[in-house]
Amino acid sequence: AQKITQTQPGMFVQEKEAVTLDCTYDTSDPSYGLFWYKQPSSGEMIFLIYQGSYDQQNATEGRYSLNFQKARKSANLVISASQLGDSAMYFCAISDRGSTLGRLYFGRGTQLTVWP
Amino acid sequence: EPEVTQTPSHQVTQMGQEVILRCVPISNHLYFYWYRQILGQKVEFLVSFYNNEISEKSEIFDDQFSVERPDGSNFTLKIRSTKLEDSAMYFCASSEWVVPDAFEYFGPGTRLTVT
Repeated sequence: AQKITQTQPGMFVQEKEAVTLDCTYDTSDPSYGLFWYKQPSSGEMIFLIYQGSYDQQNATEGRYSLNFQKARKSANLVISASQLGDSAMYFCAISDRGSTLGRLYFGRGTQLTVWP
Repeated sequence: EPEVTQTPSHQVTQMGQEVILRCVPISNHLYFYWYRQILGQKVEFLVSFYNNEISEKSEIFDDQFSVERPDGSNFTLKIRSTKLEDSAMYFCASSEWVVPDAFEYFGPGTRLTVT
């Protein structure tokens, strides 16, 4: 079974608007972490935000926030005030204690395009 | 800010040749990983490494792959006899503690092209 599902292959948003990128996950482990990474066209993987399964509050990092709904097993990324430089592929990933050193399982990604 | 570095950024090799991809993890990190991403596909785990030994490997990491930490700073991935399907972006990552208690920081990647 897929551990991470990203159902939006592509999303479009106008500059300065907010956008939500969906991510649902599947794990039976009570302890896990959820991550979002950004991959611009240059190819590198940039860590954006992290949410621990026991964290009571939703994670925020600048314009990024994570809408964590544990009962629904969803961890959507919200980008506020989109900028042209936000155009990139965005990957959701999970790490649980099912593996020895916490390998990451990635979703297929969402290609975000920000237009002026 | 400390970062993971990888060399080379792009490697072109002929099928059947050996390649070594190099990574320098963040200096105080203890846990090391290799991932790969075939063009247009998701990032896939290859192997994790701690205390000078492999901790976990995926089904992709077969006998043609090996990893090594030859000194205190480098972490290498060797592909013994490359195949066309090994063409991908290879990412090295490191973390200070075991994920999910820490984040994995990724290097910029090495794009491997096998012809």
